[in-house]
Amino acid sequence: EIVLTQSPGTLSLSPGERATLSCRASQSVSSNYLVWYQQKPGQAPRLLIYGASSRATGVPDRFSGSGSGTDFILTISRLEPEDFAVYYCQQYGSSRYTFGQGTKLEIK
Amino acid sequence: EVQLLESGGGLVQPGGSLRLSCAASGFTFSSYAMNWVRQAPGKGLEWVSIISGSGAETYYADSVKGRFTISRDNSKNTLYLQMNSLSAEDTAVYYCAKVFYYGSGGRGIDYWGQGTLVTVSS
Repeated sequence: EIVLTQSPGTLSLSPGERATLSCRASQSVSSNYLVWYQQKPGQAPRLLIYGASSRATGVPDRFSGSGSGTDFILTISRLEPEDFAVYYCQQYGSSRYTFGQGTKLEIK
Repeated sequence: EVQLLESGGGLVQPGGSLRLSCAASGFTFSSYAMNWVRQAPGKGLEWVSIISGSGAETYYADSVKGRFTISRDNSKNTLYLQMNSLSAEDTAVYYCAKVFYYGSGGRGIDYWGQGTLVTVSS
């Protein structure tokens, strides 16, 4: 079973700054089937990035994903106030989903 | 517009049972696998179970295997989760979630319900 480890646990930044969130897998993720979600308090998660680097419909282009194998990155180029939330990575394999533990992006 | 509406959550005693339902609309329900994903208070996301579009294939997280049963009724566009032998560790918001297919084998989740809270406590 692949374990996803996200870092940092909490990231404190200011609006306008660049955010870099990491997701590391314990084994290579098949075909880069890595997904990122955003979750705001009291809401269900929202699909952001799939296939490691493809933006979901309606996701602003300040969000980008990169990486391959075991190391993946979610970058938010210039933070907007609405971007402060918790971010999760996820992979699918062997008929099951695995989520990372999340990175909380908070306002500094 | 895709809508997923969960129901059936509530307070249950340890060792008890509960059945969750998720009414789906806005897409061809039988064409998509469906998941249950849960989130304990203040914690992260935990995948619980998945069922194929036909209902023929089901898979479970180790933490619920043998206690939970996922099923679906495609004639009613409804997903279910039967939960037995509940313990405090099962306390969470339970989300019904539609599979998003991409590439030749990629799976994500593109729509989530609003969640239903299950509290296991005496």
